[in-house]
Amino acid sequence: ELKVEQNPLFLSMQEGKNYTIYCNYSTTSDRLYWYRQDPGKSLESLFVLLSNGAVKQEGRLMASLDTKARLSTLHITAAVHDLSATYFCAAANSGYALNFGKGTSLLVTP
Amino acid sequence: EPEVTQTPSHQVTQMGQEVILRCVPISNHLYFYWYRQILGQKVEFLVSFYNNEISEKSEIFDDQFSVERPDGSNFTLKIRSTKLEDSAMYFCASRKPGLADPQGELFFGEGSRLTVL
Repeated sequence: ELKVEQNPLFLSMQEGKNYTIYCNYSTTSDRLYWYRQDPGKSLESLFVLLSNGAVKQEGRLMASLDTKARLSTLHITAAVHDLSATYFCAAANSGYALNFGKGTSLLVTP
Repeated sequence: EPEVTQTPSHQVTQMGQEVILRCVPISNHLYFYWYRQILGQKVEFLVSFYNNEISEKSEIFDDQFSVERPDGSNFTLKIRSTKLEDSAMYFCASRKPGLADPQGELFFGEGSRLTVL
């Protein structure tokens, strides 16, 4: 069974600081997804990573994938309050039955 | 921008009642999914649907659950006899065929919150 572990689960950081969220998965995965969820809202797709060494960036967020280590990271650069949300990673080993991590609840404070 | 729409946004029902949650996937998408998220927990896969058939389902998706695409636009999730533990946010998702989107991006709706009393 494909298991996905995220850490940390809670993260409070100051505006302007950098931090990384880690996502480990237990077995081979075809693709790795990162989503953002605001309270009571849907899941907003941030990145889809397909291959070893893949790196994608959008604004202050950068995601990477190391398939050998079964690790993906979401790096936050110079955090701003608008980034406060819950971030989920999800992996799929076949098809699109995504296995989600428990999520990282990020709070960016002044 | 096209989006996945879901109705109702919130439904309250009594235990044992049947519930139907409705989704309108993005029009050129061919693969459809239901996921659920119990309050404060992670998102869990329920079922995937393609070409009018279930292609994959999880252990959660037991005989109490069914899915249907009754017409060319709607995709429904039915829970026959709701239990307290069915209370959750139910998300519909859809995606394009693989050739049209090799990345396999899933687009999620806003969710239907189900409360079983």
